[in-house]
Amino acid sequence: AQSVTQLGSHVSVSEGALVLLRCNYSSSVPPYLFWYVQYPNQGLQLLLKYTTGATLVKGINGFEAEFKKSETSFHLTKPSAHMSDAAEYFCAVRKETSYDKVIFGPGTSLSVIP
Amino acid sequence: DAGVIQSPRHEVTEMGQEVTLRCKPISGHNSLFWYRQTMMRGLELLIYFNNNVPIDDSGMPEDRFSAKMPNASFSTLKIQPSEPRDSAVYFCASSLDSGRANEQFFGPGTRLTVL
Repeated sequence: AQSVTQLGSHVSVSEGALVLLRCNYSSSVPPYLFWYVQYPNQGLQLLLKYTTGATLVKGINGFEAEFKKSETSFHLTKPSAHMSDAAEYFCAVRKETSYDKVIFGPGTSLSVIP
Repeated sequence: DAGVIQSPRHEVTEMGQEVTLRCKPISGHNSLFWYRQTMMRGLELLIYFNNNVPIDDSGMPEDRFSAKMPNASFSTLKIQPSEPRDSAVYFCASSLDSGRANEQFFGPGTRLTVL
């Protein structure tokens, strides 16, 4: 069965610093991987996704993630944090038996310190 | 498009009362999901519809919860009777099932408080 782990339930960075949010997955087939962001009092929205092809995926708001099969990882990065990046971030993997269902990780709360 | 619409946005009720949450998915989307989010358990998938048919309801916590999708543009999640432990934010999401891993579009959620 697939699973998603996110190392660190809370991450704090200074404004302008590198953002690194970690995600590892387990899947017995080539995965489809996602990062979603949830701003306070809102629903989740897609940041980026990996399906096939280029392993470095660029998303909205300057975020990107790299799929590393050998490490079963899909870490999310942004070179310079902005105050508006403070939110909850969820990594997700497509469920093997369904094109639509995804398995969400527990989430990482990102704080940005001025 | 207005996105996924949920109502009400906030609901406060007393234990034992019936609660009905409503969702209008994005027009043209044929998959609909109900999630529950709490601090303790995170984001949980409750039930998933495809073309108005319930495909997987294994996440529905107990018989007090029921969900329907009478047509492609409307779904309800009902809790009867409600209990304080049902307090959570309930999200509806929709996607277009085209055989690929497609983005789920989430509504703004309904914050339910059961006293």
